[in-house]
Amino acid sequence: SAVISQKPSRDICQRGTSLTIQCQVDSQVTMMFWYRQQPGQSLTLIATANQGSEATYESGFVIDKFPISRPNLTFSTLTVSNMSPEDSSIYLCSGRPVNEAFFGQGTRLTVV
Amino acid sequence: SQELEQSPQSLIVQEGKNLTINCTSSKTLYGLYWYKQKYGEGLIFLMMLQKGGEEKSHEKITAKLDEKKQQSSLHITASQPSHAGIYLCGADRSSNTGKLIFGQGTTLQVKP
Repeated sequence: SAVISQKPSRDICQRGTSLTIQCQVDSQVTMMFWYRQQPGQSLTLIATANQGSEATYESGFVIDKFPISRPNLTFSTLTVSNMSPEDSSIYLCSGRPVNEAFFGQGTRLTVV
Repeated sequence: SQELEQSPQSLIVQEGKNLTINCTSSKTLYGLYWYKQKYGEGLIFLMMLQKGGEEKSHEKITAKLDEKKQQSSLHITASQPSHAGIYLCGADRSSNTGKLIFGQGTTLQVKP
């Protein structure tokens, strides 16, 4: 199994600002992903974090709003840019060793 | 696109009772994952099923995947208050993308 740590675990931010969320995996994983869980909703995939190259975004998500980095096989960051109250959600990173999928504890973001 | 339907949406049971949560897809599932989530927190990996007819158990929780790989069930025996939370099923969109889609979740309350 893989242990995934996210920082921060929660934050309250002013609209118009940006927040960077860090995700650290305790072992190398082939794939890393970022998901969003809006209040009362299930998880929606934002993007695939590709090691050493640009992330691959799902429909409805763009790089300018959610820039992602993945410098190596154990670490990734997601930035939520120019935040609005609609960005208030839980953001989760996921690491995938072969045939498994583990998640961090999530970052609970509130935009005021 | 492939969707996952979970039922029931919510469940309240008396402590000690058994319960079942279902997850159904209109398409063949490549991999089926069950997670538990406490309110506002990350996802705790429970079990992963890949083969038609597969069944796995951990403590009082048993998960099954039907032969057609389109339906999975999660069964909890002799429920306890510690089982309370949101149960989510997730599935691989295809055999090699690593991306998961999720059901809408089942909220379980266990009354002492």
